[in-house]
Amino acid sequence: GDSVTQMEGPVTLSEEAFLTINCTYTATGYPSLFWYVQYPGEGLQLLLKATKADDKGSNKGFEATYRKETTSFHLEKGSVQVSDSAVYFCALRNRDDKIIFGKGTRLHILP
Amino acid sequence: EAQVTQNPRYLITVTGKKLTVTCSQNMNHEYMSWYRQDPGLGLRQIYYSMNVEVTDKGDVPEGYKVSRKEKRNFPLILESPSPNQTSLYFCASSFAGGVWYGYTFGSGTRLTVV
Repeated sequence: GDSVTQMEGPVTLSEEAFLTINCTYTATGYPSLFWYVQYPGEGLQLLLKATKADDKGSNKGFEATYRKETTSFHLEKGSVQVSDSAVYFCALRNRDDKIIFGKGTRLHILP
Repeated sequence: EAQVTQNPRYLITVTGKKLTVTCSQNMNHEYMSWYRQDPGLGLRQIYYSMNVEVTDKGDVPEGYKVSRKEKRNFPLILESPSPNQTSLYFCASSFAGGVWYGYTFGSGTRLTVV
C-alpha cells in the first residue's frame, strides 16, 4: 500500500542553522504531497504542499520540491529560529482520496 | 473564521463509561476524519466520512463508532472505553474529490481512560 517515510527525530539544531528533514513516499499514480507542522499543545497546521512533479511548495521560509524521480519531498529551511521548534509531518493524498501521514519528526532549535 | 472545533479538549473517564467527542466544521467540507496520535506511532486514522450518511473504517476502528447525520458534524463515540484508548484525538476535514486538498485539523482532545 501507499506509505510515507520520514527521518526519525529528534533533530536538534542551533538557531540560524540550515534544516533538512527527509521524506520519501510510495504511491501509485501522482499523489499530492504535504508538510504539516504541530506546535506544542496544538493541532496540525498545513505548512506547504505540492500537487505535481517539480512543483515547489513554500511558506514561512520553508521549502519542499516534489521529486518524482526519487519519490521524495524533503523539507528545507535556510535559517531556523527557536520558534520553529515543533513536530513536522510529511503526508500524501492518493488517488483514492486517502491522506497518509509519516510518523513525524520532532525538531528542537537551541538559542 | 474557518475552523474545525472539537470538544472537549481534555477528558478523564473510567473504563466502560460511554463518551462522545464532538467535531464540527464551518467550511462546508465533504470529507471528515478522526485520527489518534500516539508516541512512536504517529497519526492513525480511525474512521472517515466522504459525505453525509457515508462513513468507512480507517486503520484502527475497533472500539469506536461514528455518525454523519449532518455535513458539519462528525462525532466520535466510544461505547465502552478501555485504557488502551488513552490517546490524543484529532478531527480533520477537507474538500473531497481532488488530491490537492489538504486537511484542516481541530485542536485535539486528550483522552485518559482509567
